[in-house]
Amino acid sequence: EDKVVQSPLSLVVHEGDTVTLNCSYEVTNFRSLLWYKQEKKAPTFLFMLTSSGIEKKSGRLSSILDKKELFSILNITATQTGDSAVYLCAVGMDSNYQLIWGAGTKLIIKP
Amino acid sequence: ETGVTQTPRHLVMGMTNKKSLKCEQHLGHNAMYWYKQSAKKPLELMFVYNFKEQTENNSVPSRFSPECPNSSHLFLHLHTLQPEDSALYLCASSLRIFGTSESYEQYFGPGTRLTVT
Repeated sequence: EDKVVQSPLSLVVHEGDTVTLNCSYEVTNFRSLLWYKQEKKAPTFLFMLTSSGIEKKSGRLSSILDKKELFSILNITATQTGDSAVYLCAVGMDSNYQLIWGAGTKLIIKP
Repeated sequence: ETGVTQTPRHLVMGMTNKKSLKCEQHLGHNAMYWYKQSAKKPLELMFVYNFKEQTENNSVPSRFSPECPNSSHLFLHLHTLQPEDSALYLCASSLRIFGTSESYEQYFGPGTRLTVT
């Protein structure tokens, strides 16, 4: 069965800390891995990763994919209270057009 | 207005009511999706439309009925729902459906928080 597992389920850190969120997957015919941030309602797109070892970066956020070990990490440096959100990971496959979603990591940044 | 919009944002309905959720995208996309999001569970894909044609129905009960009159609009018609149907219903769109020769990210609307009493 195809699955995506995110860890930790929740995380509380202080402003300024660096956090690493994990997403591991077991799917057939992997195509891409996507990260989203969900604050109140709408998940907003962060990154799409298709190749191993190539870091994607946007400001204080970065992400990398390891297709050999079947996981991705999302790093957030110098965290701010506005980074508090649920971070979702999803995997797309060649075999169908559905995304397989993880349950998310709830990140709380304390001032 | 840009992006993906959904109305209403909140809906409370009894089990015998009939209501509809509306989604509109202003991104020129050709694929639209309905998802159900329940607390602490992964997003559940309900329906996929590609160029107005339904391509996926993930064993969704018939009390949920989608309608896609054009590539910009998507509806979810609800009738005789159950309390366990209470959830956040998210609409999303993408340029194409994922899994063809390219990968396309999905853009989400703000969702409709549905409570069935």
